[in-house]
Amino acid sequence: QVQLQESGPRLVKPSETLSLTCNVSGASISSYYWGWLRQPPGEGLEWIGYISGSGNINYNPSLKSRVTLSLDTSNNQVSLNLRSVTAADTAVYSCARHLYPPAGTYDMWGQGTMVTVS
Amino acid sequence: DIVLTQSPLSSPVTLGQPASISCRSSQSLVDSDGNTYLSWFQQRPGQPPRLLIYKVSNRFSGVPDRFSGSGAGTDFTLKISRVEAEDVGLYYCMQATQVPVTFGGGTKVEI
Repeated sequence: QVQLQESGPRLVKPSETLSLTCNVSGASISSYYWGWLRQPPGEGLEWIGYISGSGNINYNPSLKSRVTLSLDTSNNQVSLNLRSVTAADTAVYSCARHLYPPAGTYDMWGQGTMVTVS
Repeated sequence: DIVLTQSPLSSPVTLGQPASISCRSSQSLVDSDGNTYLSWFQQRPGQPPRLLIYKVSNRFSGVPDRFSGSGAGTDFTLKISRVEAEDVGLYYCMQATQVPVTFGGGTKVEI
């Protein structure tokens, strides 16, 4: 059974870096594409970007200058770093697995973790 | 960015009756590969989104057949043939034809 679990600090100071990890169990991160998404309180879903098991990366242009996605294959983790955060980056952050064969969607999501910038 | 507009914002439904949600795109969602990457998700309170439909009309594994998707180009619809109590929640459409991936604003289905 595939499970995704986000972890990391729940409170980040303005101008610092938000760092989250998606711990994946039941599937090898090398075999899939992985996405990060977020949802600010009371607002809609926003796509942050994706990274493939082979290292292909695509970012939302609105965040591209501040975001980095990476893989840790030894620990089967996918990581998100978002630099120079402001209060506008306060949101529930979620990792998700792309459906395979590729179909432009996500078939598994983590529970999400609320990160507050203050 | 492609804007997805969902309607209605809220849909009061009667158990056993059909329900329908519309998702309209600001641009055609037909990709250069011929596919249309439009998906539907259900989100119950306190839960992550659950994939219902992908590529317009393909029902994901384990999704009841009362859920169906249709549409083409810029106009898409999610239909629930007979609403059950467990169908209460938020429903989102998502496009992945063009980067950035974008979502509709959501439709609340309530009894």
